[in-house]
Amino acid sequence: DAGVIQSPRHEVTEMGQEVTLRCKPISGHDYLFWYRQTMMRGLELLIYFNNNVPIDDSGMPEDRFSAKMPNASFSTLKIQPSEPRDSAVYFCASSFAQGVVGYTFGSGTRLTVV
Amino acid sequence: GENVEQHPSTLSVQEGDSAVIKCTYSDSASNYFPWYKQELGKRPQLIIDIRSNVGEKKDQRIAVTLNKTAKHFSLHITETQPEDSAVYFCAGGGSTLGRLYFGRGTQLTVWP
Repeated sequence: DAGVIQSPRHEVTEMGQEVTLRCKPISGHDYLFWYRQTMMRGLELLIYFNNNVPIDDSGMPEDRFSAKMPNASFSTLKIQPSEPRDSAVYFCASSFAQGVVGYTFGSGTRLTVV
Repeated sequence: GENVEQHPSTLSVQEGDSAVIKCTYSDSASNYFPWYKQELGKRPQLIIDIRSNVGEKKDQRIAVTLNKTAKHFSLHITETQPEDSAVYFCAGGGSTLGRLYFGRGTQLTVWP
């Protein structure tokens, strides 16, 4: 298995632009998580899905952030409009069970908003 | 919800020495405790985990211990090497908790 695949690896965008991050979980994994990592806040859980259904989005910072999972093999995290404070590394992770096995993380997307 | 606290936030040791990172958790429903290693610019990777029916687990130079009564668990790295330098995250979870809860991380630096 190729693991959790994220794209793009790096994204530089101007403030106000729309940004879309993509994730392909490991086949057979029913849970998908989006995390944001910064020096100040560490690893923050933004949202997670089970069987393509959003379960907990309480970590989504504001309405500018949205996430979808149209099928079991694809998810997107969208920021519209982007702001400089959104600059961070965004990780996608997947798991085949909830809370009783570890997550497998993707390589992350480093987002820079200028 | 669960609250996982991790200490210290930074740790520096000389090559060959041991390193210990400690975590506490608040919810007695937690029964699964993984540890992740994140090298600079890389993804967090699972290095070892322990379940609540086990008190200790070893894998070569790393070991984890769990004290359910005190609600704390620790990562022990012996004979540290420069390549052990990374950020280490602990986490707690369980089937009733809905997800894993991560600590804030410990930056371990091993000096040659």
